[in-house]
Amino acid sequence: VQLVESGGGLVQPGKSLKLSCSASGFTFSSYGMHWIRQAPGKGLDWVAYISSSSGTVYADAVKGRFTISRDNAKNTLYLQLNSLKSEDTAIYYCATGAHWGQGVMVTVSS
Amino acid sequence: DIQMTQSPASLSASLEEIVTITCKASQGIDDYLSWYQQKPGKSPQLLIYDATSLADGVPSRFSGSRSGTQYSLKISRPQVDDSGIYYCLQSYSTPFTFGSGTKLEIK
Repeated sequence: VQLVESGGGLVQPGKSLKLSCSASGFTFSSYGMHWIRQAPGKGLDWVAYISSSSGTVYADAVKGRFTISRDNAKNTLYLQLNSLKSEDTAIYYCATGAHWGQGVMVTVSS
Repeated sequence: DIQMTQSPASLSASLEEIVTITCKASQGIDDYLSWYQQKPGKSPQLLIYDATSLADGVPSRFSGSRSGTQYSLKISRPQVDDSGIYYCLQSYSTPFTFGSGTKLEIK
């Protein structure tokens, strides 16, 4: 199992970013997937979940601003981050639950 | 939202001790409880799922249990390599919630 995140970087407050997570080594379409984040020096913070049938749920802190989606043909999970705030600065991990990617850093700063 | 109260925040233990970390759920979570270990600069690794099931490749010195709504992770005869931060996660209902973490040092 391998999960590889990409798309992070430095972005100004109010702007947008789209993260990707490329999955391999398992039947991606059969698994629900999470995005989880970790602010610098802080604990783990669950962000969003998408089921194998593409049902979605979000943490209150990101509801209406972030969108989780998946492309089973490409074995890829996405997280669209809009209206970014400084408090969204964190490492973002994609995960099945049992397996996690290495994470990608998102820094929101002017 | 379900709150997960994790304790202690930190602890130091010797190689001969039994280490216990607890997470108390604010309501019943039907054993939808996982434990993760995170080392500096690394992503979390699954140790225990469904409260008591050992994840693949995890040493048998790790075990999970439940008493009421309190869940425990026990490490018997810990190794120096077990140092890190441990988190619990409830996946019974959304929003899924993590405990605040326990920083463990094995001397």
